[in-house]
Amino acid sequence: DAKTTQPNSMESNEEEPVHLPCNHSTISGTDYIHWYRQLPSQGPEYVIHGLTSNVNNRMASLAIAEDRKSSTLILHRATLRDAAVYYCILRSGNTGKLIFGQGTTLQVKP
Amino acid sequence: DGGITQSPKYLFRKEGQNVTLSCEQNLNHDAMYWYRQDPGQGLRLIYYSQIVNDFQKGDIAEGYSVSREKKESFPLTVTSAQKNPTAFYLCASTPMGIGDRASTDTQYFGPGTRLTVL
Repeated sequence: DAKTTQPNSMESNEEEPVHLPCNHSTISGTDYIHWYRQLPSQGPEYVIHGLTSNVNNRMASLAIAEDRKSSTLILHRATLRDAAVYYCILRSGNTGKLIFGQGTTLQVKP
Repeated sequence: DGGITQSPKYLFRKEGQNVTLSCEQNLNHDAMYWYRQDPGQGLRLIYYSQIVNDFQKGDIAEGYSVSREKKESFPLTVTSAQKNPTAFYLCASTPMGIGDRASTDTQYFGPGTRLTVL
């Protein structure tokens, strides 16, 4: 299974945009890039996913590099409720399994 | 409301006892998953089931067992053979477990069960 590399932690100010990077240099052509986030003592929740093109939804945007070896999750205006651990995950079609790394802990300061 | 329920939220057991964690979903999803999370770590896959009456080992299956007799239920038994069972256990499901949609389907998680072995 292809691995991802994320910074351990990041800080942001409330109301400002946040860019969370992820490196996945061994990604294969059929791997989708998924992002989940986990609030303390809760199960993870889906944020966004993409294959090649940039993606937008109500929660965030996903920018995928042209060579697909890296991606960036963009929170346009961070709120205190966005403080969580963000996981960047590569997912294959064979089993649909999610392989979690350690993620990035995002702190949002008021 | 549709969703995944796990019970109980907190569970305490004595060392050497088997314990079964419940996971139920009413989303009509084919695939179900069990993960374990230790403090400060990401989730690790224990077992998964892509369809009723079938399941596969994940990355850390030793000391655990599962069954999938009904589509909506995927109980996990933590046996006495699991050397360090204290952890946060999360159950999840997806509409489909295999095929083209398996790589894109959203995985829905339950609230988790925190197991402490004394």
